[in-house]
Amino acid sequence: QVQLQESGPGLVEPSGTLSLTCEVSGGSINSSNWWSWVRPSPGKGLEWIGEISHSGTTNYNPSLKSRVTISVDKSKNLFSLKLYSVTAADTAVYYCARDAGHYYDSSTHYFAYWGQGTLVTVSS
Amino acid sequence: EIVLTQSPGTLSLSPGERATLSCRASQSVSSTYLAWYQQIPGQAPRLLIHGASSRATGIPDRFSGSGSGPDFTLTISRLEPEDFAVYYCQHYGSSPRTFGQGTKVEIK
Repeated sequence: QVQLQESGPGLVEPSGTLSLTCEVSGGSINSSNWWSWVRPSPGKGLEWIGEISHSGTTNYNPSLKSRVTISVDKSKNLFSLKLYSVTAADTAVYYCARDAGHYYDSSTHYFAYWGQGTLVTVSS
Repeated sequence: EIVLTQSPGTLSLSPGERATLSCRASQSVSSTYLAWYQQIPGQAPRLLIHGASSRATGIPDRFSGSGSGPDFTLTISRLEPEDFAVYYCQHYGSSPRTFGQGTKVEIK
């Protein structure tokens, strides 16, 4: 059973960079899946931030694209999120998640696996 | 971008009652790419339904999904105490993946 665990600083200063990692256990980051980051957004429910494949292909939400980088570290079996120039509006619980099925089969691109989430507060 | 609008925002019901939650897409979408999640406060979202009507592994049969683009429905046939939570619909057929704003099912 695949398990995901987020980690990173719980407090980031305004204009700084939010950095989180998601460790994968019970499975390989090298499997043919999409690995995503999601956060709640006031008034919008949940907001998909972006995703990365095992090969390093990325897709980002256009609303955040200019401030986001997602990367993968196969040697450590984890993937990471960097969000630049943060403001108080970026304060949220950040979740990592994985698709149910294969990279090429979009009918399986719903989130079957989730981390427990980590709270990041943007404040000085 | 596909915008999903959920209604109502809040549903106040008693245990044992039937809950009907709606999700409307801003354009016609295939039912293949519509999912529902449950989120209990303090926990991660949990997948309930994918492909508009297929229950995820371990999900009780009191949860059912139906509909076709642009209108989808999640039905909880008889509310159990553990079902009081927030429910989100999601479209995953194209990028960006989008979620509805959520429906809170609260105890009346």
